[in-house]
Amino acid sequence: KAGVTQTPRYLIKTRGQQVTLSCSPISGHRSVSWYQQTPGQGLQFLFEYFSETQRNKGNFPGRFSGRQFSNSRSEMNVSTLELGDSALYLCASSLGQRSGNTIYFGEGSWLTVV
Amino acid sequence: GNSVTQMEGPVTLSEEAFLTINCTYTATGYPSLFWYVQYPGEGLQLLLKATKADDKGSNKGFEATYRKETTSFHLEKGSVQVSDSAVYFCALSDLGFQKLVFGTGTRLLVSP
Repeated sequence: KAGVTQTPRYLIKTRGQQVTLSCSPISGHRSVSWYQQTPGQGLQFLFEYFSETQRNKGNFPGRFSGRQFSNSRSEMNVSTLELGDSALYLCASSLGQRSGNTIYFGEGSWLTVV
Repeated sequence: GNSVTQMEGPVTLSEEAFLTINCTYTATGYPSLFWYVQYPGEGLQLLLKATKADDKGSNKGFEATYRKETTSFHLEKGSVQVSDSAVYFCALSDLGFQKLVFGTGTRLLVSP
């Protein structure tokens, strides 16, 4: 079956703009989470959604937001982009019902802020 | 809070050498443990996992055993290949949550 699909794969934005990234989870998966990967900070958890509700949130400013739709697809938005937001943004999905569920990752969206 | 510590890289090996990448964790309760691999320009792929103490996860010749007494989950492979060159991440999932806490990653370079 299809894996986690993220769009767009690459994008370049200007400081101050906003960006929306999209994620389609594996069919049947109800949990979608987002991670930011940078050389300096490594992999950091942004937030997790389950059945359209945010269940968990990392330590990121309010400029980072997300949502999940009834079909489990998710979007994340970053407003007022800063140079430091340049990163690989990874979406992941799982069944979401208990710990130990395997969490599968997409290929990521590479965001460059100039 | 929960945390994962991995050995610093890069780890440089010749083909067919034995690989060990150390991983230790700090957590309350009994988290599930994972190894993910990232090839250049790609996302993360699950390599193996273990959900309780003494479980051994294995895949593609890689193995790791969940050691509660030493809070460790070291990754091993008996004979590495050039194609194993990648960055390896150890991670734990918080009990009850679909959230992973990652180590800093260990880059493996295998030469012919």
